[in-house]
Amino acid sequence: DVKVTQSSRYLVKRTGEKVFLECVQDMDHENMFWYRQDPGLGLRLIYFSYDVKMKEKGDIPEGYSVSREKKERFSLILESASTNQTSMYLCASSLFSPDRDYGYTFGSGTRLTVV
Amino acid sequence: AQRVTQPEKLLSVFKGAPVELKCNYSYSGSPELFWYVQYSRQRLQLLLRHISRESIKGFTADLNKGETSFHLKKPFAQEEDSAMYYCALSPMDSNYQLIWGAGTKLIIKP
Repeated sequence: DVKVTQSSRYLVKRTGEKVFLECVQDMDHENMFWYRQDPGLGLRLIYFSYDVKMKEKGDIPEGYSVSREKKERFSLILESASTNQTSMYLCASSLFSPDRDYGYTFGSGTRLTVV
Repeated sequence: AQRVTQPEKLLSVFKGAPVELKCNYSYSGSPELFWYVQYSRQRLQLLLRHISRESIKGFTADLNKGETSFHLKKPFAQEEDSAMYYCALSPMDSNYQLIWGAGTKLIIKP
């Protein structure tokens, strides 16, 4: 019954590495999102996409990029990983809703540690 | 500025006691509001949404436009309610985004 799948649950990378986090949804949702989840800071939006090949910066895009070549897949890229990017990364998707009824479906998260 | 504030980082209550998780928002338009929950080792999931006026797992939330609040309430807490709770707002010009509160960790003591 898994609908949003993140490729890795735990990941350990070295400083300076290029890191790819993958997210796939099977609900034909238009919107997809990448968040960081840190204690005391809640969810902070990194990037989102409302259509294939479309992307918009969120609140904390620095050091990250994204790719959405297919509707079901949204990738987050850390160009050169740094220790301050150690965090839990959450992917989410939602349907477009003219009523703003944005019920997000989340993945199980990827806990990334940069050493 | 659009903002969602959850003033309590941690809330601890005894089993059977009433629970109220506070959420205040700052938004000049007509808000749509949500509560999400994350149980231990589970993914974040939608608990309830203002637009549907529903009650889920005994929780309710009423929008008070005068006080700009959307507090989450349950009359009798259960141990399985222990979780992280997030309040979120959908603004009219959202570009499909939600604005999130920082979350409240609810601990139900036996």
